[in-house]
Amino acid sequence: GNSVTQMEGPVTLSEEAFLTINCTYTATGYPSLFWYVQYPGEGLQLLLKATKADDKGSNKGFEATYRKETTSFHLEKGSVQVSDSAVYFCALKGRGADGLTFGKGTHLIIQP
Amino acid sequence: SAVISQKPSRDICQRGTSLTIQCQVDSQVTMMFWYRQQPGQSLTLIATANQGSEATYESGFVIDKFPISRPNLTFSTLTVSNMSPEDSSIYLCSVPSGAPLLLNTEAFFGQGTRLTVV
Repeated sequence: GNSVTQMEGPVTLSEEAFLTINCTYTATGYPSLFWYVQYPGEGLQLLLKATKADDKGSNKGFEATYRKETTSFHLEKGSVQVSDSAVYFCALKGRGADGLTFGKGTHLIIQP
Repeated sequence: SAVISQKPSRDICQRGTSLTIQCQVDSQVTMMFWYRQQPGQSLTLIATANQGSEATYESGFVIDKFPISRPNLTFSTLTVSNMSPEDSSIYLCSVPSGAPLLLNTEAFFGQGTRLTVV
């Protein structure tokens, strides 16, 4: 079956640091890949997505590249801000599947 | 994007009782999804609710424990029956952004219902 593994948190960084949150997946065929973010007190919202190999999703300074050879979709940001503090979820959607398969989430804490 | 309203936002319930969670969407959608997020765990799909037919449950979830209604294209309910402390979780309603079976269709989520069973 499908599965998503992402790095455990919490991840604590200083403002303006470089961020990487690792995500690897197992799936039949070639799924679509997503990063969702949950800010404190808010619902899950889509951050970015990639639908085929070598695609790069980007939004709000965050980027992730769909790497088929390593089955990975790592999230990166060059300079984080305190407002980026949230829980980040990596997810995939397999062919013919209705719902999404999620990772456990990574709690990111950015300190001023 | 779809606006999804869930009620209640949180509740504390006695074991053995049942709680019904409501999900209202501001547009008509063919499929609605219910997820569970247990403490420290990922979101897990409970079931897919289709209007006019019975819900489709994922492995490990059964209708007797999580009955679902889908009376129209904008509304669904999930009931957590005969609750135990292990049911303490966040329950989320979700709808697809487009054609549900397309690979590139992402999902919109409600804010969730935080349930604590004591």
